[in-house]
Amino acid sequence: DSGVTQTPKHLITATGQRVTLRCSPRSGDLSVYWYQQSLDQGLQFLIQYYNGEERAKGNILERFSAQQFPDLHSELNLSSLELGDSALYFCASSVEGVLNQPQHFGDGTRLSIL
Amino acid sequence: AQKITQTQPGMFVQEKEAVTLDCTYDTSDPSYGLFWYKQPSSGEMIFLIYQGSYDQQNATEGRYSLNFQKARKSANLVISASQLGDSAMYFCAMRGNQAGTALIFGKGTTLSVSS
Repeated sequence: DSGVTQTPKHLITATGQRVTLRCSPRSGDLSVYWYQQSLDQGLQFLIQYYNGEERAKGNILERFSAQQFPDLHSELNLSSLELGDSALYFCASSVEGVLNQPQHFGDGTRLSIL
Repeated sequence: AQKITQTQPGMFVQEKEAVTLDCTYDTSDPSYGLFWYKQPSSGEMIFLIYQGSYDQQNATEGRYSLNFQKARKSANLVISASQLGDSAMYFCAMRGNQAGTALIFGKGTTLSVSS
C-alpha cells in the first residue's frame, strides 16, 4: 500500500461529459502530481501542486484542470471528454525538495469514454 | 530536454534466473535521480529502486540492483532469482534536482517469468 488513495477506481462516461478524479496524498507529502497513461502516449506528466499552489505543468489539455485543497487532497477535472481521453490517470505524492525521495503512486483511476 | 529510452519491449526469463532490463537516459542536469517502477497487470505503480547521479555505489534493494554507468548514461535494472510474481511492466524514470520536476518515463519493458 503506497498510502496514496485515488477514487473512483473506474469511471465510464460518454463523450462531452465532465468528470472529477480525486486523490489523497500520503500523510506528510505536500506535493501531488497527476499523470496520464495511455497506450499511444505512455506515461505523461499532467500537472503538479505543492501545498495548494500549482508548481508545474506538463502536457495538460485546456479542457483539464486541477486543484489542491487546504487538506492537501487534489482533484483533477476533465471536461468535454473525447474518446482519446480514455486512459489510466495516476496521482502521485512525494516529499518536495529531496531528490532521493520517490513519488508514490495511487492505484489509478481507469477512465473509459464511450 | 530529458529523455528515457527503454529498447526492450519484452523480455522472457525462467524462474530463478537473473534478468537485466535496459535503460538509457539523456539529460543536461548535473544532478538527477533515476527510478524504476513496476506495474503489474492489476495496474498499480510500485516503486522499486532509486539511484542518484552522484551516488558512488550502485543501488540495491533486495533482489533488485541497479547497474549505473554514468559515462554511458545507462541505469539498467537487474533482478536476481526471478519469481513468477515478477511478471509485470517495468518503467525506468528520471527527474532533475529542481522544485517541481516531474518524472519522465520510458515506454517500459514487459517482463514475463515462466516456470
